[in-house]
Amino acid sequence: EVQLLESGGGLVQPGGSLRLSCAASGFTFSSYAMSWVRQAPGKGLEWVSTISDSGDNTYHADSVKGRFTISRDNSKSTLYLQMNSLRAEDTAVYYCAKGTSSWGYWGQGTLVTVSS
Amino acid sequence: DIVMTQTPLSLSVTPGQPASISCKSSQSLLHSNGKTYFYWYLQKPGQSPQLLFYEISSRFSGVPDRFSGSGSGTDFTLKISRVEAEDVGVYYCMQAIHLPWTFGQGTKVEIK
Repeated sequence: EVQLLESGGGLVQPGGSLRLSCAASGFTFSSYAMSWVRQAPGKGLEWVSTISDSGDNTYHADSVKGRFTISRDNSKSTLYLQMNSLRAEDTAVYYCAKGTSSWGYWGQGTLVTVSS
Repeated sequence: DIVMTQTPLSLSVTPGQPASISCKSSQSLLHSNGKTYFYWYLQKPGQSPQLLFYEISSRFSGVPDRFSGSGSGTDFTLKISRVEAEDVGVYYCMQAIHLPWTFGQGTKVEIK
């Protein structure tokens, strides 16, 4: 059974940093691209980042480019999202999802709140 | 960026009745490889989103056959032949032919 478990969310001040993790199990992690998608409170879905299976290629939304970095550790079957220079508008539930865009499996999400 | 426009934004449906959601993209989603990178997702209340259809009409595992996806190019439709109570939630369309991947605004479906 595919499982994705996010962690690392919490309350952070504007300008601060946070690193999200997504522990994957139930599939060969190193064979799949992975993505992060977020949802601000009461709002719709927004694609954030995608990383190739090897980690060699990464893609970020313009809204986070230069501030967020997606990475992975295939030996640990874990996906990461390093978030720096956080802003109030980054407040959202962050989901990890298996794949490039055909996201058949999602985690339960982790809430990031950026506030002073 | 490709803009995805859904209509209607909300829908109230009597159980057993059909429902339809439209999604239009600002550019064609047909790739030169013949695939169309268009998806439907459903987010039930309090849950993570779930994939309904990929590449317009390919039903994801476990999706009931009362759901169907159709369309081409820039115009797409999700239909529910007979709405059930468990179908409530927000339906999103999404494109993944050009970065950034973009979603529609969402269509909230409720039961009358």
